[in-house]
Amino acid sequence: GDSVTQMEGPVTLSEEAFLTINCTYTATGYPSLFWYVQYPGEGLQLLLKATKADDKGSNKGFEATYRKETTSFHLEKGSVQVSDSAVYFCALSARNNNAGNMLTFGGGTRLMVKP
Amino acid sequence: SQTIHQWPATLVQPVGSPLSLECTVEGTSNPNLYWYRQAAGRGLQLLFYSVGIGQISSEVPQNLSASRPQDRQFILSSKKLLLSDSGFYLCAWSVLTGRPNTEAFFGQGTRLTVV
Repeated sequence: GDSVTQMEGPVTLSEEAFLTINCTYTATGYPSLFWYVQYPGEGLQLLLKATKADDKGSNKGFEATYRKETTSFHLEKGSVQVSDSAVYFCALSARNNNAGNMLTFGGGTRLMVKP
Repeated sequence: SQTIHQWPATLVQPVGSPLSLECTVEGTSNPNLYWYRQAAGRGLQLLFYSVGIGQISSEVPQNLSASRPQDRQFILSSKKLLLSDSGFYLCAWSVLTGRPNTEAFFGQGTRLTVV
């Protein structure tokens, strides 16, 4: 079945440091890939997405490129801020035969940014 | 615009008591609806999804059940809670397109503590 593997956290960085959170996936067909962010005590918000190979999703300074050859969708940001502290989830969506689009999530990576 | 409401935000219930969590979506018709659970320090697990009124699919065997009495209402229930039911419960919706590039939109979550 489909699966998503992302690096375990927590990831602790100083403000303005470079961020990479690794994400690899296993899926049949051609899934869409997503990064969601969860701030403390809140639900998940879509951060960015990519729907086909070599697409780059970007938002709020975060970027991720859909790499089909390495089945990866690593999240990057050039300069993190304290406000970026949150849990980040990588996810994929593949067509479901019952016409639903279910997301398969990775385990989440907690990012802590120190001033 | 579409919005999703989930309540209550927090809940403390004794073991053996019943549970009812409600989720409603506004601004869209015939959405896919989902219940996820996030156990402490762990990733998201899909519990139930629904592609229409009265249509519920369960992803994991468990002590919980779900119902969809109206098009935009999704309810998570239990007759007798267990300690292991504690967690953060998230309702989500997506457009019913059958296309994998459709993202899901999440509610704010309910933190359930079973004591």
